[in-house]
Amino acid sequence: DIVMTQTPLSSPVTLGQPASISCRSSQSLVHNDGNTYLSWLHQRPGQPPRLLIHKISNRFSGVPDRFSGSGAGTDFTLKITRVEAEDVGVYYCMQGTQFPWTFGQGTKVEI
Amino acid sequence: EVQLLESGGGLGQPGGSLRLSCAASAFTFTTYAMSWVRQAPGKGLEWVSTIGAGGSEFYSDSVRGRFTISRDNSKNILYLHMNSLRAEDTAVYYCTRSRVVDSWGQGALVTVSS
Repeated sequence: DIVMTQTPLSSPVTLGQPASISCRSSQSLVHNDGNTYLSWLHQRPGQPPRLLIHKISNRFSGVPDRFSGSGAGTDFTLKITRVEAEDVGVYYCMQGTQFPWTFGQGTKVEI
Repeated sequence: EVQLLESGGGLGQPGGSLRLSCAASAFTFTTYAMSWVRQAPGKGLEWVSTIGAGGSEFYSDSVRGRFTISRDNSKNILYLHMNSLRAEDTAVYYCTRSRVVDSWGQGALVTVSS
């Protein structure tokens, strides 16, 4: 199984300041079809997760442009340029390249 | 707007069975792989099972042989048949769409307890 390791697991942030979360996979996430199925999800308390970024760097519909994703192969990063109050919650990376699909442990972002 | 609505959660007995449903709307259901992802209380996300657009089935080791995923393309409904329930199956079960998990339902709580 591909292990997804996120750092940090907890991130105190300041409103208006940048934040960054790293995700490392134990194997390359490049699929046979040439895509890299690395997604970033955000979950607020009591809510289902929602997709922020897919295939490393593609911002999903309606996601603010302060969120961006980057990386390749086994190392990936989610960046928030200026944290807003609504950004609190838990962030997960997830690989959909190989079954079983796997998630990172989650990074709790709090003000 | 894409909608996924889970139902069928509740209290199940250890060793018992439950069936979850996920009603999909506002997209061409037949062309998408669909999955179940669960979240135990206070824990992270865990992939459970996926069914491809063509019907191929994939399962996590923790549920293989006990759970069965299926889909009714005439009704746009995804199912998860859960047998031989264990306490560790207690979780909120989410229905999700595609390999990039771009849409999520609100979740259905399954509690396994005697």
